[in-house]
Order: sequence, then structure tokens, then C-alpha cells
Amino acid sequence: QVHLVESGGGLVKPGGSLRLSCAASGFTFSDYYMTWVRQSPVKGLEWISYISSSGTFTYYADSVKGRFTISRDNAESSLYLQVNSLRVEDTAMYYCTTSRKGLMEHWGQGTLVTVSS
Amino acid sequence: EIVMTQSPGTLSVSPGGRATLSCRASQTVSSNLAWYQQKPGQAPRLLIYDASARATGIPARFTGSGSGTEFTLTISSLQSGDFGIYFCQQYNDWPPSWTFGQGTKVEIK
Repeated sequence: QVHLVESGGGLVKPGGSLRLSCAASGFTFSDYYMTWVRQSPVKGLEWISYISSSGTFTYYADSVKGRFTISRDNAESSLYLQVNSLRVEDTAMYYCTTSRKGLMEHWGQGTLVTVSS
Repeated sequence: EIVMTQSPGTLSVSPGGRATLSCRASQTVSSNLAWYQQKPGQAPRLLIYDASARATGIPARFTGSGSGTEFTLTISSLQSGDFGIYFCQQYNDWPPSWTFGQGTKVEIK
């Protein structure tokens, strides 16, 4: 079955960077569009980025555009999110999901990013 | 951005009872509406997509309805495992600017 495991979160100071990873298994990763969604007590659930199955097309929420970069390695069945110029308001649990038509079919367990001085 | 508003914020229901959750979009999303369930410490789980289609493995007591701007999730004969927070999400926008509601908590009465 579909299995997604995120990693790479942690405590980082404002302005810092992290690289989040999502290891996929149990399905043909290269056939699926993927997204990153985050959740915080303040903002709730927030879609932040989407990548096409080949990696050719990427989209971002306005709140992260220019600071976050989504990418994928289909040979390694892995999804990534490079998060730069972090702000306190980026503090959240970050989930990777498979995506079909924009709905999030399968979710990982999440990785927590905390931005604090 | 399409704003999704859910009501009520909290719903208290007895086991075996019926829960009716509402989700309103600030502009039409056609039938591009999904419902998710989240339990404490877990990721959300897809329940309903395309406003009324049940995801794989979701029992028939979960029913989604609506189109346009008004949507409903009905949970009949609530079981203990059904308590949690339910979110709606629209995926009508392209390029994507998909948005979630703030959630309805279904708790044991």
C-alpha cells in the first residue's frame, strides 16, 4: 500500500533553511502528482506546493512563493521541499501527499518545523 | 482565494447518532470538494471526493452531498472511531490555490 515518510524537520532560527524529504513506497511514484501541505494551530491546513509527475510543472501558495522550492527524484521515489528564509509563521507540521486533481489521497505522518529564535 | 467556512465549530453527538457537518465556499467550486477526517496525533485521511464519492475503504455511513457553494457531510450511526476533526477542501482552482476549511470537531456527547 501507499507509504509516505517525511523527514528533515527541526528547530531553526528565523531566516534559516531546511530541506524536507518524503520517501515514497508501495506505488509507482513517477505516475503521481505530489503536494506539500502544512498544518499549524494558527493557520490550520494550508496547501503550499504541487509538482507534476515528471517534475516539469510546479506551483506554490503565495505565502511561500520565492522562498520554498519543491522537487522530486523519481529514480529514488523521493519528494523534497527546500525551505529558505524561514519565518516564525512557517512553524507547522509539514505533510507530503499524493495528489489527484487537487485532492490529497494519501498522507505521510508529517515532519515538524519550528522557527524560533 | 476561495474561503471555505465550516459549521458548526464543534458538534456533540451520542454514539449511534447522526452528525451533519456543513461547508460553504465563498464562490462556486462546482463539485471539486473533498472531506477529510483527522484524529489526534494523526495525519488527515481522505473520506469523500468530488463532493459525494467515497474514498477507498470508507464505509457507507459517510455521505457527502452538495455542489456549487454549499456542501454537507453526514455521518449516520456514529461509532467511537468516527470522533475527530473533519475538514473540507476545495480543489476547483487552476493554477492551484487549493484551500481548506477550519474544521468541525465531532465529539462524544
